[in-house]
Amino acid sequence: LLVDSGGDLVQAGGSLRLSCAASGFTVGDSQMTWVRQAPGKGLEWVSLFYRGGSTYYADSVTGRFTISRDTSKNAVFLQMNSLRAEDTATYYCARIGVLTAPTGPSDGFDVWGQGTVVTVSS
Amino acid sequence: DVRLTQSPSFLSASVGDRVTITCRASQGISNYLAWYQQRPGKAPSLLIYAASTLQTGVPSRFSGSGSGTEFTLTISSLQAEDVATYYCQQVHTYPLFSFGPGTRVDIK
Repeated sequence: LLVDSGGDLVQAGGSLRLSCAASGFTVGDSQMTWVRQAPGKGLEWVSLFYRGGSTYYADSVTGRFTISRDTSKNAVFLQMNSLRAEDTATYYCARIGVLTAPTGPSDGFDVWGQGTVVTVSS
Repeated sequence: DVRLTQSPSFLSASVGDRVTITCRASQGISNYLAWYQQRPGKAPSLLIYAASTLQTGVPSRFSGSGSGTEFTLTISSLQAEDVATYYCQQVHTYPLFSFGPGTRVDIK
């Protein structure tokens, strides 16, 4: 289970920190990711925290967003700075499961949080 | 970057109908494709991974096929609870796990 929190209304240029609390599995043993969805739009991958500690970002958020992990809290975070109107979205945390298929292992986002809403006013 | 397209963008069908959604990749991705269902107002959920393997708990009326650049998601007998938007996602080009634009499915 993943529980997302931290979404709020914020002014353009402001900052926000989203949290994703996990239960039933250990984030330290998993790859974790953030996906966002602007109102009425599709899904956009935002950021990934690799099991070994490497982090990756979509071009649209590179240099402004930072993903982190706290294994003592079994949680993942997304620090969002220099927010823009186009960052307005529902943000979902998800686990990237290593899934077993007849053809071999494959990835898939197998556990999702309920989402938290970020609104950036201009 | 791998770009995904989906067709149709919207479809309306009757309960019991067979429904097929197509996802095309801009380059070959072998079978590194997943499908998600997002019901209105809810988070997405994983339906199928590795192009054709059903996630645990997903009804058997859902199936996936394809490899390379063309993939399909089929619902063999559409049910009212299948009203949702369906997204394909490539998991070939790590870590840029891009999604398709989605296909909205409604009941006629």
